[in-house]
Amino acid sequence: DAKTTQPTSMDCAEGRAANLPCNHSTISGNEYVYWYRQIHSQGPQYIIHGLKNNETNEMASLIITEDRKSSTLILPHATLRDTAVYYCIVRGPLTDSWGKLQFGAGTQVVVTP
Amino acid sequence: ETGVTQSPTHLIKTRGQQVTLRCSSQSGHNTVSWYQQALGQGPQFIFQYYREEENGRGNFPPRFSGLQFPNYSSELNVNALELDDSALYLCASSLFLGDNEQFFGPGTRLTVL
Repeated sequence: DAKTTQPTSMDCAEGRAANLPCNHSTISGNEYVYWYRQIHSQGPQYIIHGLKNNETNEMASLIITEDRKSSTLILPHATLRDTAVYYCIVRGPLTDSWGKLQFGAGTQVVVTP
Repeated sequence: ETGVTQSPTHLIKTRGQQVTLRCSSQSGHNTVSWYQQALGQGPQFIFQYYREEENGRGNFPPRFSGLQFPNYSSELNVNALELDDSALYLCASSLFLGDNEQFFGPGTRLTVL
C-alpha cells in the first residue's frame, strides 16, 4: 500500500510557482521522501529527494515539515512542459525495500497559459 | 550518453501466450528494476536485478520472470498471459544498488486480447 496521500489534480498558471502537497504521516525515521514525475507517454523522471532538511536543485525545491509528516514540492516557475503526473514516494532503506519505488496515484498537474 | 531503451514499443498478444520484453540499461548501470503500470495508475514494482541476480520482488506471480545479462541489459518474461496483464511495462536502471535516482525507459505497451 502506498504510504503517501496526494491531491488527485491541480492546475497552475504558467510562470507562477506550483506547490504540490504530500502527506506521509506514517513515515519512519530512516525513510526518505522522493518525487518523480511522468509526462504523458514517457517513463517517470526523478525530480528530488530528501530526508528531513529542505532540498533544492535545478528543477525544484522540497520542503519537509519538522515532524516529517508532510512535504511540499515547489516548481518555482511552472512552464507548459511541467504538465505531468507528480508522484510523492516514501522510500525505505535498501535492506528493507531493495530500493524499490512504491508509487501511488500521484497528482495530475496541468499548467495553463 | 544513451538513455534507457526498451523494445518493442507496442505489442499485442492473446490470452495464454508468452511474451518477452527487452530493456537496455543506461551505460555503466548495474541495477535494473521492472514496473507494471495499468492505465490510470502509478507504476507497480515487479522485481529488481543486480549483477545478474534477482535482488527483490514485488507482489507478482512466478509467471513473471526476468533475466539480466553480463552487459546489464535485461528481459522481462511473462507466461500464460491474462487480460489483466495489459499494461505499460517500464524498466528503470540505476548506477548502483540503492542509488537515489532511477532512470526510466519509455516503456512497452502490452495489450492482451
